[in-house]
Amino acid sequence: EPEVTQTPSHQVTQMGQEVILRCVPISNHLYFYWYRQILGQKVEFLVSFYNNEISEKSEIFDDQFSVERPDGSNFTLKIRSTKLEDSAMYFCASRMTSGGQDTQYFGPGTRLTVL
Amino acid sequence: GEDVEQSLFLSVREGDSSVINCTYTDSSSTYLYWYKQEPGAGLQLLTYIFSNMDMKQDQRLTVLLNKKDKHLSLRIADTQTGDSAIYFCAENDYKLSFGAGTTVTVRA
Repeated sequence: EPEVTQTPSHQVTQMGQEVILRCVPISNHLYFYWYRQILGQKVEFLVSFYNNEISEKSEIFDDQFSVERPDGSNFTLKIRSTKLEDSAMYFCASRMTSGGQDTQYFGPGTRLTVL
Repeated sequence: GEDVEQSLFLSVREGDSSVINCTYTDSSSTYLYWYKQEPGAGLQLLTYIFSNMDMKQDQRLTVLLNKKDKHLSLRIADTQTGDSAIYFCAENDYKLSFGAGTTVTVRA
């Protein structure tokens, strides 16, 4: 069964450093998402991406964050200058269409630790 | 804005039924979802229900929806040790809004 993959599974970085989290969505999917889950808190929507542009973003997704689909397979989340509070589990998701019954498939997540 | 609330913990004996409850606020959601998260793993879609339905059954899973009260529940029949996980309800068709998750612990 096709699945969303994410690399790395765990990333440790120093405060102020840039990180890039990578995702490979399911190959025929058109809509892509990033969510994050701070330890012990809710899973929060960050951004959605369609047709090579951001379709919606939350207030969390400030100028420090960016997303890109550099080729036909990867979908990346970049944090330019990491802060301690960026430590969280980051989940990528993809779906084929925008319809609600066509569910979002989630990757296993990347645990980001900012020291 | 959207807000989804769940109880945080549920302990159940193996073989018993588990019932996880959720309340939500976005009445425009066409579908409502239940996701399962096992330790160290991602979010796995368990089931979803169309907002015009009251009930959906899928093997051991039964979803009940009370749209008037904006209350969603997930019943797991004959709960097994493999059902130990965190269960999230979610609303909103496009950018999912999740509850905090209910940690289900199955004891022998």
